[in-house]
Amino acid sequence: AQSVSQHNHHVILSEAASLELGCNYSYGGTVNLFWYVQYPGQHLQLLLKYFSGDPLVKGIKGFEAEFIKSKFSFNLRKPSVQWSDTAEYFCAVNTPNTGKLIFGQGTTLQVKP
Amino acid sequence: GAGVSQTPSNKVTEKGKYVELRCDPISGHTALYWYRQSLGQGPEFLIYFQGTGAADDSGLPNDRFFAVRPEGSVSTLKIQRTERGDSAVYLCASSLRATSGRGSGTQYFGPGTRLLVL
Repeated sequence: AQSVSQHNHHVILSEAASLELGCNYSYGGTVNLFWYVQYPGQHLQLLLKYFSGDPLVKGIKGFEAEFIKSKFSFNLRKPSVQWSDTAEYFCAVNTPNTGKLIFGQGTTLQVKP
Repeated sequence: GAGVSQTPSNKVTEKGKYVELRCDPISGHTALYWYRQSLGQGPEFLIYFQGTGAADDSGLPNDRFFAVRPEGSVSTLKIQRTERGDSAVYLCASSLRATSGRGSGTQYFGPGTRLLVL
């Protein structure tokens, strides 16, 4: 069965620090990859997605993620975080022949002003 | 434009009661999904519809859970004989189609229904 693992459960950074959140998945075939964000009191929003093509994907608010097929990874990065990036971040995966999304357990990011 | 809407936003019920949770997808989206999110966890898949039919219901935990989408738009998740362990946030999402199709499978989530079973 597919699974998604997010290594960091809780990350605390100061503003302007760089961010990298890890995500690994277990599935040997073709996958679609997503990062969602949930700001306090808000619903899940799509940050970025990968279906095919360039493995470096740029999303909203300066976020990017790199798909490394050999490592089954899709890590999320941002060069300089802001206080407003405080939120919970979820990595998710599905395959092209099913709509079912498998989520990681999430990473809580706290950015100190 | 309007996003996915879910009602009620909060539901408190007693153990053993029956509840219905409603989801209104984005207009034109043919695929609709239900997930459940417990505190401190990522969303967990329950069921998804392509049109009116359930394409995959493998995530429904047991036969107390049932979902319908009779006209291919609004969906209702039904939980019979609720148990305290059913307490969670129930999320609904929709997409243009279930299987991608570059971009067409991107799921957009609603605000969720917070269910508390006492």
